Amino acid sequence: NAGVTQTPKFRILKIGQSMTLQCTQDMNHNYMYWYRQDPGMGLKLIYYSVGAGITDKGEVPNGYNVSRSTTEDFPLRLELAAPSQTSVYFCASSPRPGTGSVPEAFFGQGTRLTVV
Amino acid sequence: AQSVSQHNHHVILSEAASLELGCNYSYGGTVNLFWYVQYPGQHLQLLLKYFSGDPLVKGIKGFEAEFIKSKFSFNLRKPSVQWSDTAEYFCAVNNYNTDKLIFGTGTRLQVFP
Repeated sequence: NAGVTQTPKFRILKIGQSMTLQCTQDMNHNYMYWYRQDPGMGLKLIYYSVGAGITDKGEVPNGYNVSRSTTEDFPLRLELAAPSQTSVYFCASSPRPGTGSVPEAFFGQGTRLTVV
Repeated sequence: AQSVSQHNHHVILSEAASLELGCNYSYGGTVNLFWYVQYPGQHLQLLLKYFSGDPLVKGIKGFEAEFIKSKFSFNLRKPSVQWSDTAEYFCAVNNYNTDKLIFGTGTRLQVFP
């Protein structure tokens, strides 16, 4: 059982380049999240999805886009990379609240992105 | 807007000392509450969670937390810390209305032998 898988683990981008961070989960979770983690700032929610075809903005969505065409996949797209997007990005998934289980979030290993 | 506050940004303790990390949240409706731990270089792992029932919840590695609804608090405690507890600790809140899972800014705990 792989859980939540993120690729790549590390990436260096030049300013203005674009890239997609991949996230896949094999737990059939409805909910998926993208966070960025910066020192002293904790985790900030970028985008989240409550199911295939449904996405919504989190706390810091500017500069990012997401899609959710399948239950398993939730890619995060950076169109024009900026130095402010240098961060560690975590993807997470959880079951839907109220389905008889507490919606514990399971995290991927993270992607360390540097924009230079 | 829903928010989570962690009052202690950096805590330094000696082994066997007691630990209490504060967490307050702003949302007044039905919530699920979590504490996650992140060991150096690793991803977040669940320590414990509160859904309903007994407000004192016990988690892994001897950690516990108490939900006090009137204070909107969910403080994390451990009677005697170990060097291996050195990590960053995050409080998180999920509410039924917005579906968002929001984290606090984290508390960095350093335990010295």
